[in-house]
Amino acid sequence: DGGITQSPKYLFRKEGQNVTLSCEQNLNHDAMYWYRQDPGQGLRLIYYSQIVNDFQKGDIAEGYSVSREKKESFPLTVTSAQKNPTAFYLCASSETGLGATLHFGNGTRLTVT
Amino acid sequence: GENVEQHPSTLSVQEGDSAVIKCTYSDSASNYFPWYKQELGKGPQLIIDIRSNVGEKKDQRIAVTLNKTAKHFSLHITETQPEDSAVYFCAAFPQAGTALIFGKGTTLSVSS
Repeated sequence: DGGITQSPKYLFRKEGQNVTLSCEQNLNHDAMYWYRQDPGQGLRLIYYSQIVNDFQKGDIAEGYSVSREKKESFPLTVTSAQKNPTAFYLCASSETGLGATLHFGNGTRLTVT
Repeated sequence: GENVEQHPSTLSVQEGDSAVIKCTYSDSASNYFPWYKQELGKGPQLIIDIRSNVGEKKDQRIAVTLNKTAKHFSLHITETQPEDSAVYFCAAFPQAGTALIFGKGTTLSVSS
């Protein structure tokens, strides 16, 4: 089945540690995205990539980093510089262009203590 | 940049009633407005969308209306069912080469 795979579903880290969230897609989509979801805050855009080896910052990129070395993979690193890293993280992919449907993974819930 | 406001944040209805969720956007260049439904523990899924050259679109029990002049769009769900209970997000697409900007979501509860 085609889709977006995010792993793991739950992730726990100690404060001060960097952590990388995995996102893989087999939909052959050029574009990939990372959103952060907090209660009452909706989905806020962290980073997006329209093509391999290129990516742009979203509204809340501070404290995060990404890479796009392969079309099917778009890992997100939450660095120790992110002040409030505990959240639900959603990865998505789409074709490029107006009106392209975002296909979301089922998310990773990160807890940092 | 684009800003999307969504109201209400929570909505409770009885089964069979209608539900309406409203969104406003700030960037007049935005030209695509989808609605996503998120069930518990899952990622959001597209349920309906509308482009700026259309005023209304309907798909069975759900419909979306768009008023470009006022920069607002709404989701209408008729004959609600318990399985409609979920979080609904509206979004706007500012321009080519960017990404969807989402509202803060509406938690819809349908009681039987």
